[in-house]
This record gives sequence, structure tokens and C-alpha cells, in this order.
Amino acid sequence: DQQVKQNSPSLSVQEGRISILNCDYTNSMFDYFLWYKKYPAEGPTFLISISSIKDKNEDGRFTVFLNKSAKHLSLHIVPSQPGDSAVYFCAASAITGGGNKLTFGTGTQLKVEL
Amino acid sequence: EPEVTQTPSHQVTQMGQEVILRCVPISNHLYFYWYRQILGQKVEFLVSFYNNEISEKSEIFDDQFSVERPDGSNFTLKIRSTKLEDSAMYFCASVGSESGGSTDTQYFGPGTRLTVL
Repeated sequence: DQQVKQNSPSLSVQEGRISILNCDYTNSMFDYFLWYKKYPAEGPTFLISISSIKDKNEDGRFTVFLNKSAKHLSLHIVPSQPGDSAVYFCAASAITGGGNKLTFGTGTQLKVEL
Repeated sequence: EPEVTQTPSHQVTQMGQEVILRCVPISNHLYFYWYRQILGQKVEFLVSFYNNEISEKSEIFDDQFSVERPDGSNFTLKIRSTKLEDSAMYFCASVGSESGGSTDTQYFGPGTRLTVL
């Protein structure tokens, strides 16, 4: 079951540059997409989200872009900072009867180097 | 800032034993979830819970699993007879919205690492 895919298991970026993390999905019923950041031995921390009625959402250094026709979303972090080094998970949910479950991707390990 | 808490942080048990993982969701939140992450794999949905009943469960959530909200604050996951393959990080999450709609953000706890020997 690969409804949400993150094809890059790792990404290395220099401090101050842009980090671009990608995510693809197959289920056209998904209508809400989230990015979570996770440090080792901690739970996923919510970062930013986007509804399917939008194609862009920005929050400080973080911007999420959604291309519904391509079933693709991306997270841009600019400028990247060493503290951004973590695993980033893309997640998606769809309208069901309530209590909507999240379907996660496999994650991308981001390393921001000095 | 309110947060989801989980206890214990690490649980070691023998195969066949029962374990109870505990979560305290954010106060006033209405929807509760359990997810798990086997080492090296993605986070997987187990179950969602609302109004004192299960609203959805995955194929993983078989008869060995149960959830309960025994009082106004705790939310527990019980595994009746643990198997080696139950070893994973278990995460609790909660949502505050009355509708629990798909556009509501789920907030996660720090997780419980379950090791089954």
C-alpha cells in the first residue's frame, strides 16, 4: 500500500540554501496534506498543511506547494538551518465518516550542513 | 503549550504477555488515534476513537488489540498477547475539532517504544 510516496530517502543541503522535499500520492480522495518533522525518539511534530482547494501555503520559512493534477506536493524550506535536520514525513487524509486517519509517506532524512 | 503525553517511554515484554500503553491527549480534544512505526518503516494508522467508540481501524488492529478511554483524560491501547512483530514505536495523537474532519491537524505524543522478546 504505497498511497503516499517519498522517493528520496535522504537529502543534504548547505545552510542558507533551499531544501525541497517531495511527495507523491495516488489516492484522489485525499483532500488534506500535512508535513511533519520528526527527531529520533520523538513523535512527529506538525509543521505545515495544505487543503486541496489551495495550491500554496506559506508559514515563515516553510512553504508547501500542491499540484493536484500531478498528485504531487513539495515542501520548501528557505533558508535552511542546521536545526532543520530531521526526518520529514508527508501525510494525507481524506473525508470519511470522521476521525480521519493519516496515511504517511516513508520519510526523507534532511541534513543541513554548515 | 498543551501536548500529548505517553507512558511509558519504553516497554519491554515477553512474547505472549499483555501490555497497556497509555496516552493523555490534549485536554478538550475529541478524536484520538493510535499509530505505530516499525523500525525503518513508515508510520501506520491503527485506530481512531471518538465518543467512546472506535470510528475506524486498520487491518493491523486485529482482535489482539483494544482501546479504551477509562476516564476523562487517559486513552489506552492494549495488546492482549504480544508477538515479536508487535515491536515498534507506538504513537498516540489527538484532534480538537468537533467534526474531526480531514482538515484538522493531528498532534502526536512522543511515543512508546515497545520491545517484545
